Amino acid sequence: DIQMTQSPSSLSASVGDRVTITCRASQGISNNLAWFQQKPGKAPKSLIYAASSLQSGVPSKFSGSGSGTDFTLTISSLQPEDFATYYCQQYSTYPRTFGQGTKVEIK
Amino acid sequence: EVQLVESGGGLVQPGGSLRLSCAASGFTFNKYSMNWVRQAPGKGLEWVSYISSSSSTIYYADSVKGRFTISRDNAKNSLYLQMNSLRDEDTAVYYCARMGYYGGNDYWGQGTLVTVSS
Repeated sequence: DIQMTQSPSSLSASVGDRVTITCRASQGISNNLAWFQQKPGKAPKSLIYAASSLQSGVPSKFSGSGSGTDFTLTISSLQPEDFATYYCQQYSTYPRTFGQGTKVEIK
Repeated sequence: EVQLVESGGGLVQPGGSLRLSCAASGFTFNKYSMNWVRQAPGKGLEWVSYISSSSSTIYYADSVKGRFTISRDNAKNSLYLQMNSLRDEDTAVYYCARMGYYGGNDYWGQGTLVTVSS
């Protein structure tokens, strides 16, 4: 199975900060990588697919990059509605695997 | 508008069974593959099972293989997960998710809670 490792596990940031979350795959997955946002008690929401493509309706403050084994999710200017947990997921092979999540909290 | 609505969750004793349903609307259900994903309380996301649009291809996570069965009824726009021999560690919110054309999940239901406890 492909292991997905996110870092950091949590971070504290202020409104307006630029935030970067990294995700590393245990083997190459090309660009078959998605990012999800999840707020407490809610279903995950798809933000990015194919490592860097924005889902329809997702604001451009979210961006993704990377290929192979190393990926990043960047939020350019953190807003109150962005405080949530973020997950990466590889969809290169089965079983699909997720990172352990990064909780973004208010500083 | 794409909608996925899960149902069928509840409290069940260890060793028991439960059948989850996911009602789909707002898209041509028979053209999309589907997944079940679960999330134990306070934990991360875990992929559970996949079914192709025609049901010809099915995959399971090792943790549920032999106990869970995924199926779909394209005439009823519905996805199912039959869960047998349930264990404490199966306690989770279960989400159905549509697989986008690119291979990842693009829409998710709101989830249904399954609690396995005596």
